Amino acid sequence: GAVVSQHPSRVICKSGTSVKIECRSLDFQATTMFWYRQFPKQSLMLMATSNEGSKATYEQGVEKDKFLINHASLTLSTLTVTSAHPEDSSFYICSASDRGGETQYFGPGTRLLVL
Amino acid sequence: AQSVTQLDSHVSVSEGTPVLLRCNYSSSYSPSLFWYVQHPNKGLQLLLKYTSAATLVKGINGFEAEFKKSETSFHLTKPSAHMSDAAEYFCVVSDPRPGTYKYIFGTGTRLKVLA
Repeated sequence: GAVVSQHPSRVICKSGTSVKIECRSLDFQATTMFWYRQFPKQSLMLMATSNEGSKATYEQGVEKDKFLINHASLTLSTLTVTSAHPEDSSFYICSASDRGGETQYFGPGTRLLVL
Repeated sequence: AQSVTQLDSHVSVSEGTPVLLRCNYSSSYSPSLFWYVQHPNKGLQLLLKYTSAATLVKGINGFEAEFKKSETSFHLTKPSAHMSDAAEYFCVVSDPRPGTYKYIFGTGTRLKVLA
């Protein structure tokens, strides 16, 4: 149980284009989803927290207009990197927790490369 | 405020010997603590968690951790390392206030297992 999927697993795009990453909870209802960014050989950095049906809460220093987060249902959240640039290249990981749950279950990650 | 310190960035052990990955935490509240493992280019997998029940927590793949309040520690151990244990390990403290549940990550410990 508690499986989280992400799609795509890897994406390469040109500078200036937008990229959408999906995060799904497969066997539980995720009232809260989290989006992280991980640079090589570093820890995870929380970008934003999203609760189903409400606006995401972004961490300090994360541009909400650049990283659009939608959590429209209890099993799906999306992260859209708008007008991507090479410095946005990174490993993006989502996690999800269920109602009242403290434990986060992580997706397998999406590697984004912006050329 | 919560924080977590992983004392070793790299640990090398021989296959079949014990593993010790150290973690110290700081928390204004009664903490919830987690250990996650990350294999290369993968998401994070939950190894075990402490949420104020038994202080000795058993996890998957033979790992266990002991919560020691007096030492503010939550070290991860395994009696006998296997080659497949080579990965990055993260100690995490959760902000326990309902509605928050953000994770604070340690910087990670890379475990190398020598044949």
